Amino acid sequence: GAVVSQHPSRVICKSGTSVKIECRSLDFQATTMFWYRQFPKKSLMLMATSNEGSKATYEQGVEKDKFLINHASLTLSTLTVTSAHPEDSSFYICSAPRTGGLDEQYFGPGTRLTVT
Amino acid sequence: GENVEQHPSTLSVQEGDSAVIKCTYSDSASNYFPWYKQELGKRPQLIIDIRSNVGEKKDQRIAVTLNKTAKHFSLHITETQPEDSAVYFCAATDSWGKLQFGAGTQVVVTP
Repeated sequence: GAVVSQHPSRVICKSGTSVKIECRSLDFQATTMFWYRQFPKKSLMLMATSNEGSKATYEQGVEKDKFLINHASLTLSTLTVTSAHPEDSSFYICSAPRTGGLDEQYFGPGTRLTVT
Repeated sequence: GENVEQHPSTLSVQEGDSAVIKCTYSDSASNYFPWYKQELGKRPQLIIDIRSNVGEKKDQRIAVTLNKTAKHFSLHITETQPEDSAVYFCAATDSWGKLQFGAGTQVVVTP
């Protein structure tokens, strides 16, 4: 199956700093990637759709200036949590469909963000 | 937009018994319905999926049924084993390819 990686797997940062999370498709090209956030014992909530070469589209209630998304190549999307606060602490997961967006999505291993 | 509801939130079964999880969705344009198993701190793993042109699909002990008219789909696990214990999520993909997840079901299989 297709492989999606994320880096870092865990990160601890101080309040007010910014953190960048990378999502890479290792053996296929992904024109679209999705970013999710998952709080403990909760479901995955779609945050935004990352589109290669164009602006990301954000779900209702997600601040685009807070969660900056860049999809500069067909294999890499980045999520930057700016001016992080403790309430941003969560499990962030990316996914990418292999073909055309109407097929199985492959998930990254997730990034555990803790803001102190 | 799509709204996916999932029940029950927790499910305890004896080893060897069957487990059934049910989901409903709201967007009639949804056409892809995957089920994921997630262990603590890990990524969701696809266990089975079904597309809107199919009513039922089976893979060994796991089966999924889809009723498009009623907009509901169900996961059936037979002969449950302790390693089936995990959180299970249903999801529905809209025509844009965006996945909306159900709230999840914590399945506990007791020996």
